[in-house]
Amino acid sequence: GENVEQHPSTLSVQEGDSAVIKCTYSDSASNYFPWYKQELGKRPQLIIDIRSNVGEKKDQRIAVTLNKTAKHFSLHITETQPEDSAVYFCAAVKGEGTALIFGKGTTLSVSS
Amino acid sequence: GAVVSQHPSWVICKSGTSVKIECRSLDFQATTMFWYRQFPKQSLMLMATSNEGSKATYEQGVEKDKFLINHASLTLSTLTVTSAHPEDSSFYICSAITPGLAGNYNEQFFGPGTRLTVL
Repeated sequence: GENVEQHPSTLSVQEGDSAVIKCTYSDSASNYFPWYKQELGKRPQLIIDIRSNVGEKKDQRIAVTLNKTAKHFSLHITETQPEDSAVYFCAAVKGEGTALIFGKGTTLSVSS
Repeated sequence: GAVVSQHPSWVICKSGTSVKIECRSLDFQATTMFWYRQFPKQSLMLMATSNEGSKATYEQGVEKDKFLINHASLTLSTLTVTSAHPEDSSFYICSAITPGLAGNYNEQFFGPGTRLTVL
């Protein structure tokens, strides 16, 4: 079945720096890769997603890249702000279906 | 649009009792709903996939007789934790998808979660 690995588990940056979180997946049939931000006790919030027919997608300070050959995808946050501090999860669709398998999460801390 | 609600938001119960959690899509019809469990400081773990009118598909290691899922309508799925024990204490989150919404077929809309504490 699908397995999603996420690194690093914690990431501390200074305000204004960039942050990069990386994930790998195992199922070559996966075709949808969302990223979520979750604050303590809240529901996951979709921040960006990418499909397998696209290599990169950007939305203001957030970008996602996908390398299907290597089964890698990464989240890039530029000009980080303290309010970016949260837990970030990557996920991949299980096979060709719709269920999501999540990575273990990255706790991002942005200090001012 | 695309709002998913859960009820209750939190529940405390005694060991051995059963607890029902409701997941509703408020402004769309959800062809498929998912149930996740999240322990403190851990990731979301998929428990089961539920399609309206059919039996849920459980992930490996999830006891279907303990976690009963009913997706009786296109707007409601329920998760019943039977004979709950302290180790079942967790944050239970549902999500829903629908092909009817324009754009991203795969996007899952998450409920706010239910915090279950079993004493």
